Amino acid sequence: DIQMTQAPSTLSASVGDRVTITCRASQNIGGLLAWYQQKPRNAPKLLIFDASSLESGVPSRFSGSGSGTEFTLTISSLQPDDFATYYCQQYESYWTFGQGTKVDIK
Amino acid sequence: QVQLVQSGPEMKKPGASVRVSCKASHYTFTNYGITWVRQAPGQGLEWMGWVSTYSANTNFAQKYQDRLTMTTDTSTSTAYMELRSLRSDDTAVYYCARVLGRKNFFDYWGQGTLVTVSS
Repeated sequence: DIQMTQAPSTLSASVGDRVTITCRASQNIGGLLAWYQQKPRNAPKLLIFDASSLESGVPSRFSGSGSGTEFTLTISSLQPDDFATYYCQQYESYWTFGQGTKVDIK
Repeated sequence: QVQLVQSGPEMKKPGASVRVSCKASHYTFTNYGITWVRQAPGQGLEWMGWVSTYSANTNFAQKYQDRLTMTTDTSTSTAYMELRSLRSDDTAVYYCARVLGRKNFFDYWGQGTLVTVSS
């Protein structure tokens, strides 16, 4: 099974900050990685697919990069609506999620 | 607008079974698979399994192989997930999601169904 490890587990930031979350796969997954945002009591929402493709309707301040085993999600300027938990997911071999990164208010 | 609408909350006793439904609308049901993900209280997302709405083939995470069933009813565009021999640690919110197929991401999600297992 492919394991996904995210860092950090929690991130405290302020509105306007540049935020970066990393995700590492236990083996090469090429570019088959997605990022989701989840707010309390809501279903996850797709942000990024194929490592760097922005889902329709997602603000351009979100971006993804990486390939192979190392990936990042960047929020260029954190907005109040962005305080949430973020998950990476590999889909090269079935599906596995990272453990999540909670972005909260500093 | 694609929609996945799940059945309501369930309360079950240990050892019982639960079946959760997921009704799809506004897209061709058999063009996409349905996958199920669960989230225990305060925990992360865990993939459980996937069903092809076209062939009815399934793939399950190893830990659920012996007590999970996933089916679909193409006449009503509804997918079902049944988990048997429930334990207290099966208490979670269960989500269905749409997936184009293997090696694809989950683009639309249901609203979630809380299953509580308690004696």
